[in-house]
Amino acid sequence: NAGVTQTPKFQVLKTGQSMTLQCAQDMNHNSMYWYRQDPGMGLRLIYYSASEGTTDKGEVPNGYNVSRLNKREFSLRLESAAPSQTSVYFCATSGAGVSTDTQYFGPGTRLTVL
Amino acid sequence: GENVEQHPSTLSVQEGDSAVIKCTYSDSASNYFPWYKQELGKGPQLIIDIRSNVGEKKDQRIAVTLNKTAKHFSLHITETQPEDSAVYFCAASGGSILTGGGNKLTFGTGTQLKVEL
Repeated sequence: NAGVTQTPKFQVLKTGQSMTLQCAQDMNHNSMYWYRQDPGMGLRLIYYSASEGTTDKGEVPNGYNVSRLNKREFSLRLESAAPSQTSVYFCATSGAGVSTDTQYFGPGTRLTVL
Repeated sequence: GENVEQHPSTLSVQEGDSAVIKCTYSDSASNYFPWYKQELGKGPQLIIDIRSNVGEKKDQRIAVTLNKTAKHFSLHITETQPEDSAVYFCAASGGSILTGGGNKLTFGTGTQLKVEL
């Protein structure tokens, strides 16, 4: 089992460009999350999906859109990238088995916007 | 919404000593408190968690304590080893269960632990 995978691992964009970050899980989890991690600020929730077909805003949703393509995949899109979106992005999943609260994180995507 | 504060931001200990990291939370409805360890270049990994109906939980060299009245919880690492060097994050749930299972977590700002030889 691969667990939670994210692509790409690294990306450099110019201001105004768009891109989609991909996340996939093979853990049969219902809930999926997108976080961003900035120095000194911990992890902040951007969007989450409680189940296939539903998405909701987290703490810092502005400038992002998401799609829950199916149970396995949850993508994060930046329509017009800004330098303030330079960050490390993590996808996480939860919601199956004995402990539905436990969130499992992917390896992250390091994004730089010039 | 929930607010989680974490201290200290950096912690340096000698190998074999104990390390303690403390967090406070604001939402009295929070009922789930995980701790994550993040090694350089990797995603956070759960190391221990505690629920609001339990005051203390241990797993080998790691323990977590929860004081619901004071709304604070702590991570204790005993007999520290160089491989314990990492960033540690505490988190608290907002108490709202998602329809598919899981919780929305609010994270602390992290503690960089360095274990020196």
